[in-house]
Amino acid sequence: DTGVSQDPRHKITKRGQNVTFRCDPISEHNRLYWYRQTLGQGPEFLTYFQNEAQLEKSRLLSDRFSAERPKGSFSTLEIQRTEQGDSAMYLCASSLSDLDDEQFFGPGTRLTVL
Amino acid sequence: QKEVEQDPGPLSVPEGAIVSLNCTYSNSAFQYFMWYRQYSRKGPELLMYTYSSGNKEDGRFTAQVDKSSKYISLFIRDSQPSDSATYLCATRSSGYSTLTFGKGTMLLVSP
Repeated sequence: DTGVSQDPRHKITKRGQNVTFRCDPISEHNRLYWYRQTLGQGPEFLTYFQNEAQLEKSRLLSDRFSAERPKGSFSTLEIQRTEQGDSAMYLCASSLSDLDDEQFFGPGTRLTVL
Repeated sequence: QKEVEQDPGPLSVPEGAIVSLNCTYSNSAFQYFMWYRQYSRKGPELLMYTYSSGNKEDGRFTAQVDKSSKYISLFIRDSQPSDSATYLCATRSSGYSTLTFGKGTMLLVSP
């Protein structure tokens, strides 16, 4: 399968713990996006990368959140000191290099903070 | 007011019905309009991608954009039980790649 992959698919953690998610984009896709989706809502943009450069961050991305894409391939999203309000589906998407290129979404990582 | 409004449903129809799904938006800068389908516990999948006003057809799906009224529609002809999913409208401005989504409409097609 050559689509966007995310790991883990599910994560249950206790409040205050740190968690890290991984996204592997489609090969040769230069742009990589992170979105968050809560129950009954559409995805909300968090941040995106063009190759290894993080070009935009939403105000939703508090200082407890950090994302990296060190070699312009896979990306990680870390949440420090998790809160119950962080419980959501974290979606990764990738696209080629142009603005008009379609964003292909991965299956998401579902985070539950107890 | 959210930038993109969408009725969450659920919308229940019998198999074979014509389905109409709609969104409104408030930001005049939005130039690109998309419809995604999302099955339960899966990521969104792009169905239709249109630029500015007008119609676009792909098989049983037709997308319409009316920029004068800031209204986006998706029509599904001959609906099938496999069309049962949540349908998300999304928009973006020219020069920006990030998407703004509606909250999605759940569609249930009964056999």
